[in-house]
Formats: sequence, structure tokens, C-alpha cells
Amino acid sequence: GIQVEQSPPDLILQEGANSTLRCNFSDSVNNLQWFHQNPWGQLINLFYIPSGTKQNGRLSATTVATERYSLLYISSSQTTDSGVYFCAVESGGSNYKLTFGKGTLLTVNP
Amino acid sequence: KAGVTQTPRYLIKTRGQQVTLSCSPISGHRSVSWYQQTPGQGLQFLFEYFSETQRNKGNFPGRFSGRQFSNSRSEMNVSTLELGDSALYLCASRRDRGSRNTIYFGEGSWLTVV
Repeated sequence: GIQVEQSPPDLILQEGANSTLRCNFSDSVNNLQWFHQNPWGQLINLFYIPSGTKQNGRLSATTVATERYSLLYISSSQTTDSGVYFCAVESGGSNYKLTFGKGTLLTVNP
Repeated sequence: KAGVTQTPRYLIKTRGQQVTLSCSPISGHRSVSWYQQTPGQGLQFLFEYFSETQRNKGNFPGRFSGRQFSNSRSEMNVSTLELGDSALYLCASRRDRGSRNTIYFGEGSWLTVV
């Protein structure tokens, strides 16, 4: 099946700093989503982005499907941005199941 | 509109018991999937239901089962609980089975097996 690798596994920032999270995947995808898992466990959908670039406030994401990677940018980070960020993909042969990376644990210190 | 709703949020069970978890998808969403999250294995796909039929199943033993009702609500059941079944169980819904549909997750059900 498709493989998903996220980097870095851990990231510690000071409030106000910018960061880039990366997601590499091993096959072509029909669906790629970025999620933020809050402290209570819920996966909050950030972006649906199988290709192209999107922005939502301080967050933006870019997926280069031909090179099989996606980037999540967080600008002017806030303590509330802390948590685990997951990249998840669906490939054409996956029969509508998401394969998740192991996540990036982001800690933003005040 | 209301998001994906899961109940119960927290529960503690004893080894050997069974548990049933419930999921109400976003209104109008017909596909419901279940995922298990553990510290060791991460997020793993359990199964997907659409039109009351299981369409896809992950690599889990037969103790894990589920169903979907005509109103798209879904339940999953785990029988003969083992300590290793302690996990966060997440339900997700999407409008239909096309891949080009955003998937939304509920808050999850935290299961502890003692």
C-alpha cells in the first residue's frame, strides 16, 4: 500500500515563529488532507489539497503531486497551534481509506 | 451544521467484555469510516460503510465489526475485549464514496480496557 512519511517528527518553536511541515507519499493520490489533532483527540480538518496551493489565515499548504510531497506552512505561530499535525492520503487503489503519516508534534512556547 | 458526533466519549471496560460505539455523520453524508489510534500503531483504518454495506475493511480481527443504518448512522462493536484494544476510536464521514470529497472526523471515543 501507499506509504506516508512526515517530517520532522517533533518541532519546538517560540511564539511568533514560522514553520514548515512536510509530507512525502509513495504513490499518486486522489485525496490528501492535513489535520490538526487537538488535546481532546479530535482531528480538525485543515486542508483538502490533493494538488495546488491553498491558504487559510496563518496556515497555507502546497501539494506537488508530480513530486509526491505536500507542505504545510504555519506563520506567526501561537500557543494554540500546539498539537499533532497529520497528513493523510488516499490513492486510487486504496478503496476510499485514508493512510496517515505518523504526525509532527508541534510545541509552541510563549 | 452539526459535525460528526460520537458517543460515548469515554468508557472503561474489563477484558472479555464487549463494547459498542456510535457515530452520527454530518447530515447528508452517506459514507462512514472508523479508525483506531494507538501510541504504537498510529492511526489505522478499521472499516468503511456506505448504503448500509461494509465496503472496505482494514487488517483487524473478526472481533471488530460494525454496521450502518438507513439514516447513515453507524455503530462499531468490539467483542471479547483485550488490553490492546485500549485506544481512541475515531469516526469519519464524507458525502459519498468519491475520493474528491473532504473527510471530517468526530471527537472520538476513548476506550480503556482494564
